[in-house]
Amino acid sequence: DTGVSQDPRHKITKRGQNVTFRCDPISEHNRLYWYRQTLGQGPEFLTYFQNEAQLEKSRLLSDRFSAERPKGSFSTLEIQRTEQGDSAMYLCASSLGGRGETQYFGPGTRLLVL
Amino acid sequence: DAKTTQPPSMDCAEGRAANLPCNHSTISGNEYVYWYRQIHSQGPQYIIHGLKNNETNEMASLIITEDRKSSTLILPHATLRDTAVYYCIVRRGSTGANNLFFGTGTRLTVIP
Repeated sequence: DTGVSQDPRHKITKRGQNVTFRCDPISEHNRLYWYRQTLGQGPEFLTYFQNEAQLEKSRLLSDRFSAERPKGSFSTLEIQRTEQGDSAMYLCASSLGGRGETQYFGPGTRLLVL
Repeated sequence: DAKTTQPPSMDCAEGRAANLPCNHSTISGNEYVYWYRQIHSQGPQYIIHGLKNNETNEMASLIITEDRKSSTLILPHATLRDTAVYYCIVRRGSTGANNLFFGTGTRLTVIP
């Protein structure tokens, strides 16, 4: 399968713990996006990478959240000191960029904070 | 990016065409219309996009009105597997970050 992959698919953690999610984009896609989706809502943009550079962050991305894409390939999203409000689906998407770019999404990581 | 308006839900009989409308009256000249769908508990799936002309691919057809203020996604022969939330998104065509604003979409239920 050559699509976007995410790991883990599900994560249950206790409030206050740190969690890290991984996203592997489609090979050669230089753009990578993270979104968050809560129940009953559409996905909301969190942050965006062009190669290894993080170029845009949403105000939803509090200082407890950090994302990296160290070699311009896979990316990690870390949440420190998790809160119950962080419970959501975290989605990753990748694209080749350009004016009519198409973002392809992974299956998501579902986080539950107890 | 321009905002979109979609009906919250629609039903369609299996085997019939599903026509999903979307209003985007404030769309500007360089903004594309994208359609994604999301089947329960899965990541969004790209369906189709267009700028001015109608588009067709193996999944669907996209009809954009001449004034570009509205569009319709057509699934020609709906199956039970097409039951999903469908999102119409208008996004500027720029070389910078092009994050998608999803809204709440239309929940399509295909009925046997």
